[in-house]
Amino acid sequence: NAGVMQNPRHLVRRRGQEARLRCSPMKGHSHVYWYRQLPEEGLKFMVYLQKENIIDESGMPKERFSAEFPKEGPSILRIQQVVRGDSAAYFCASSQTGVDEQYFGPGTRLTVT
Amino acid sequence: QKEVEQNSGPLSVPEGAIASLNCTYSDRGSQSFFWYRQYSGKSPELIMFIYSNGDKEDGRFTAQLNKASQYVSLLIRDSQPSDSATYLCAVHSFKTIFGAGTRLFVKA
Repeated sequence: NAGVMQNPRHLVRRRGQEARLRCSPMKGHSHVYWYRQLPEEGLKFMVYLQKENIIDESGMPKERFSAEFPKEGPSILRIQQVVRGDSAAYFCASSQTGVDEQYFGPGTRLTVT
Repeated sequence: QKEVEQNSGPLSVPEGAIASLNCTYSDRGSQSFFWYRQYSGKSPELIMFIYSNGDKEDGRFTAQLNKASQYVSLLIRDSQPSDSATYLCAVHSFKTIFGAGTRLFVKA
């Protein structure tokens, strides 16, 4: 039973480029969450999605960031025109019902040069 | 007041001792409570969840919930150096909120 999958595990982008991070939830899970974590800091909630719908995007910056979870395929977190401050670990988590425990993927480490 | 508060630590305990990690939350309507462990450079890993007042034991871990005091704790018995990590408390009311985590260091 595969867990939450994220790819790529490491991503290097130059300033101004776009970053696309992918997340496939656990089998049977339709709720996906994205978090950002800076070194030595806590998890920061970004966005919560359920198939084809954004439920809560209160933690996502208004500009340059977007997320989707299409009917088919993985959830995508997209960062346009990346800046050095976007360098962080981005974790995806999934849950079955939205009120139960979340399971985390291994994360994508984004480095902006 | 933060919605989920944890002492950032570090909490240092000797090997074999009991480590006690605490978490308080502000929303009285919270229904679900979770503890995660995160090793440096890794993703959070679910350790336990608890929904009802009282204690819940799983191996060396015991989660304790007191809804009246809005308090949830995690006890780790017979602490091992491999338990050294950051422990995250998460609380769900209408959404899941994570605390900032407590760093635990178990000295050999």
